Amino acid sequence: DIQMTQSPSSLSASVGDRVIIICRAGQSISTYLHWYQQKPGKAPTLLIYAASNLQSGVPSRFSGIGSGTDFTLTISSLQPEDFATYHCQQSYSTPYTFGQGTKVEIK
Amino acid sequence: QVQLQESGPGLVKPSETLSLTCTVSGGSISGSTDFWGWIRQPPGKGLEWIGTIYYSGTTHHNPSLESRVTISVDTTKNQFSLKLSSVTAADAAVYYCARHKGLSVAGSLRYSYYMDVWGKGTTVTVSS
Repeated sequence: DIQMTQSPSSLSASVGDRVIIICRAGQSISTYLHWYQQKPGKAPTLLIYAASNLQSGVPSRFSGIGSGTDFTLTISSLQPEDFATYHCQQSYSTPYTFGQGTKVEIK
Repeated sequence: QVQLQESGPGLVKPSETLSLTCTVSGGSISGSTDFWGWIRQPPGKGLEWIGTIYYSGTTHHNPSLESRVTISVDTTKNQFSLKLSSVTAADAAVYYCARHKGLSVAGSLRYSYYMDVWGKGTTVTVSS
């Protein structure tokens, strides 16, 4: 199985802050990497697919970059509705695996 | 637009079989590059991919669940289902169904699958 490791596991930030979340794969996965947002009690929603493609309807303050083993999700200016948990997921090979999640909390 | 809805018992006894169904509306489960699958999330924990099925019946599943998992599809009902046998307390979780959208990757024969549509999730408790 390909291990996915996110950092940090949690962070505190203020509205307007720039937030960067890192996801590292245990082996090269090219750009087979996707990002999801999950709010408490809700299903995850897709933010970014194939490392850098913004899902339709997702605000442009979200962006993703990376290839191989290292990937980042950036929120350029944190908004109140962005406080949530963020998950990365690889689809290079089955079983598909997720990172442990990064919880973004209000500072 | 495509919507997914999970259904099934919310309470399962230890050693019995968990059975869930996902109904797809607003689109057909057949005839595209998409797979359909299941993901679960134990209370307070991360997401675990269980497996997927193509409308033709091709499946992939997580070896960590060994031979306990069966995923099937009924194209006439536009549904796919999950059965997990011999459940224990460790199987208690929110179970989600999700469309695995296939993306062709330049220079590769390997499609990239991402989960672009999710059901709301259903909570399964394991208790006698």
